[in-house]
Amino acid sequence: EVQLVESGGGLVKPGGSLRLSCAASGFIFSSYSMNWVRQAPGKGLEWVSSMTSSSTYIYYADSVKGRFTISRDNAKNSLYLQMNSLRADDTAVYYCARDRVAAGSPGSVFDYWGQGTLVTVSS
Amino acid sequence: DIQMTQSPSSLSASVGDRVTITCRASQTISSYLNWYQHKAGKAPNLLIYATSNLQSGVPSRFSGSGSGTDFTLTISSLQPEDFATYYCHQSYSTPNTFGQGTKLEIK
Repeated sequence: EVQLVESGGGLVKPGGSLRLSCAASGFIFSSYSMNWVRQAPGKGLEWVSSMTSSSTYIYYADSVKGRFTISRDNAKNSLYLQMNSLRADDTAVYYCARDRVAAGSPGSVFDYWGQGTLVTVSS
Repeated sequence: DIQMTQSPSSLSASVGDRVTITCRASQTISSYLNWYQHKAGKAPNLLIYATSNLQSGVPSRFSGSGSGTDFTLTISSLQPEDFATYYCHQSYSTPNTFGQGTKLEIK
């Protein structure tokens, strides 16, 4: 059974940092591109970042470029999101999602998602 | 960026009703359109991919159609477990973008 479990969320002050993790199981993690998608309170889904299976290609939404860094450790079946210079509008539930297609290619399908981890940016 | 506009934003319906949700892209996205169901506090669930392909394990009352810029998700006979928020998602280009969501509520 495919499972994605996010962790690392919490309350952080504006300008602070946080590192999210996503532990994957039930599939060959090293074969899949992975994504981070977020949902701000009362808002819809927003794609944040994606990374190909071997970390060769990485993509970011303009809203987080230069502040967030996606990474993965295929030996540990884990995906990460390092979030720096956090702002109030980064407050959201952050989901990791598996992609059937190579990140950056047309036709992405987010076929499995975790339940999310809440990040709250507030003073 | 490609803008995705869903309509309606919310919808009240009864068990057994046929429901259609539409999604319009600001430019052509070929057939690169997916639909997800999302219930509060849970992981989003893939329903339909590439416009009309039913994800494994998803009931056949869900179907999708469209091409180019206009797409629809249809639920043929609403069941109690279908009350949720539905999102379309274009994967024609990066950044991938989602519609704003359609909240389906019980009448």
